[in-house]
Order: sequence, then C-alpha cells, then structure tokens
Amino acid sequence: EPEVTQTPSHQVTQMGQEVILRCVPISNHLYFYWYRQILGQKVEFLVSFYNNEISEKSEIFDDQFSVERPDGSNFTLKIRSTKLEDSAMYFCASRTNPAADSNIQYFGAGTRLSVL
Amino acid sequence: AQSVTQPDIHITVSEGASLELRCNYSYGATPYLFWYVQSPGQGLQLLLKYFSGDTLVQGIKGFEAEFKRSQSSFNLRKPSVHWSDAAEYFCAVGRKAAGNKLTFGGGTRVLVKP
Repeated sequence: EPEVTQTPSHQVTQMGQEVILRCVPISNHLYFYWYRQILGQKVEFLVSFYNNEISEKSEIFDDQFSVERPDGSNFTLKIRSTKLEDSAMYFCASRTNPAADSNIQYFGAGTRLSVL
Repeated sequence: AQSVTQPDIHITVSEGASLELRCNYSYGATPYLFWYVQSPGQGLQLLLKYFSGDTLVQGIKGFEAEFKRSQSSFNLRKPSVHWSDAAEYFCAVGRKAAGNKLTFGGGTRVLVKP
C-alpha cells in the first residue's frame, strides 16, 4: 500500500540552526501538508501546498518556515533558525486530486524535532 | 472558526469490553469528519470518515462512528476491544474547500487491560 514517508524519524539540532525535514508524498497525490504536534498538545495545521505554491498557512507558519517541492517526489519543510519552542513532532500529509470528493489526507509517521 | 473537542484524555477499557470515544465539533457548515488512530511510533492512520449520507459510518478494524448534527458530535465506537486497539485516537474536522486543512481534537489515549 502506498504511504507517505518522512525522514529523519528524529532530528536533534541546536537553537539557531537551520533544519530541513523531508517527506515523500504518495506518488499520484497533488496536495501536500505539514502539521505539527508539540508534546501534550493538539496536532496543528502549518501549511498546505498545491501546484507549486502555498495555498493556505496558519499563523504559526511565519517567516522562519518555508516549504518546497524541489523535484517530483520530495516535499520539504525548512526552519531557518530553530527555537526551543519548535521542538515538536512534524507530520507530513498528502492527498489526491483536490477536485475529487475524497478529501482524505494520508499521514507519514512524523519527524520528531528536538531543539537544544 | 472550526474546532474539535475530545473530552476524555485517557480511557482504560478491559479487553473484550465496548469502547466509545467522544468527539464534539464546532463548524459553520456541513463538516467533513474523520477519526485517525496513532499507534506508538506510527503515523496517523485513517479509521473512518463522514462526508454525507448515512450518519452511521463503518471503518477499519471494526470501528464505527455516528454523526449527530443536533449534538455536533461524531463519537467513535467499537463493540469489543482488542489489546491491539491501545493507541491514541484523534477526531478531526475539515471542509470541502480545496485546501481542506484538518483541525484536530486533543486526542484520547486508550489503554486496554487484559
């Protein structure tokens, strides 16, 4: 069964460093998302991406964050200068044609980011 | 703004007993509703969804959920729990618009006693 894969599973970084979280969405999917879950809190939407541009972003997704689909398979989330409060589990998700009625997002296993 | 509340943070249930997880949502139009499950070290797996039609929906692993518009609820049930059902369960609401971001509840952690 096709799945969304995320690498690495755990990333440890120093405050102020740049990190890139990587995701390989399901191959025929067109809509891509990042969510995060701070320990003990809700899963929160960060950003959605379609047709090579951001379609929606939350207020969390400030100038420190960026997303990119550098090739036909990867979808990345970059945090330019990490803060302690960026420590969280980051989930990537993808879904198929947005015109389809099947509004189902498929999630990866997540990357746990620890900022020291 | 859309929001989801899962009133129970933890539930402990005996193996073989029934399980019901509560979910209440706030949304201005007809919502798209989802239940996801997260096992340790795993991603979020879709259990079931409600878009329209029959308000009782069946999902994987023997789960079902009932949409009650009058109560703004979408509770998840399973008649007989297995030890492998121990996990965290998330209710989520989305919209039909193309972006369809999901708004999640806080999750309910289910522990299964032998």
